[in-house]
Amino acid sequence: AQSVTQLDSQVPVFEEAPVELRCNYSSSVSVYLFWYVQYPNQGLQLLLKYLSGSTLVKGINGFEAEFNKSQTSFHLRKPSVHISDTAEYFCATYNQGGKLIFGQGTELSVKP
Amino acid sequence: DTGVSQDPRHKITKRGQNVTFRCDPISEHNRLYWYRQTLGQGPEFLTYFQNEAQLEKSRLLSDRFSAERPKGSFSTLEIQRTEQGDSAMYLCASSSRTGTNEKLFFGSGTQLSVL
Repeated sequence: AQSVTQLDSQVPVFEEAPVELRCNYSSSVSVYLFWYVQYPNQGLQLLLKYLSGSTLVKGINGFEAEFNKSQTSFHLRKPSVHISDTAEYFCATYNQGGKLIFGQGTELSVKP
Repeated sequence: DTGVSQDPRHKITKRGQNVTFRCDPISEHNRLYWYRQTLGQGPEFLTYFQNEAQLEKSRLLSDRFSAERPKGSFSTLEIQRTEQGDSAMYLCASSSRTGTNEKLFFGSGTQLSVL
């Protein structure tokens, strides 16, 4: 069955430093992968998605992710984070029924 | 504001009481989803509607839970005889396209606390 696993529950980082949030997927069929962000007291917002084609996907707010089939990973990266990037980040994929399922989430905390 | 709106934002109730939440999707969206999110976890799928038809319910949705979308527009989620384990954030999302290019728009959620 399709699933995603986020390897880090919390990632503290200093402002302007690079960051990588890790996500591994498990699937035996075609893979569609997403990253969502949830700012405090707000709903989830789509950052980027991989459906097919180029393995490097660029999203909003300067984030990008790379689909790596050999490592079954879809890690999210940003070369220089801002205080405003502090949020919960969720990796997601479709289950066999075509419904979006989420990882456990990674709390990114950007410190000045 | 043309986003997905949910009401109330917060609900505190005593165990055994019934509660009802409302979701107003983006007006032209025909699909509506309910998710539940507990602390430290990602959202879990509960149920979804295509227009007014409820097409799928997760096994997470016990028979104390019922959802409706009577006119294919807004939706309600009712929990009867609430239990402390029902405490969670209940998220609503809507979309207008199906298939792999579907984009879900989420509301801010209703935070339920059962005392």
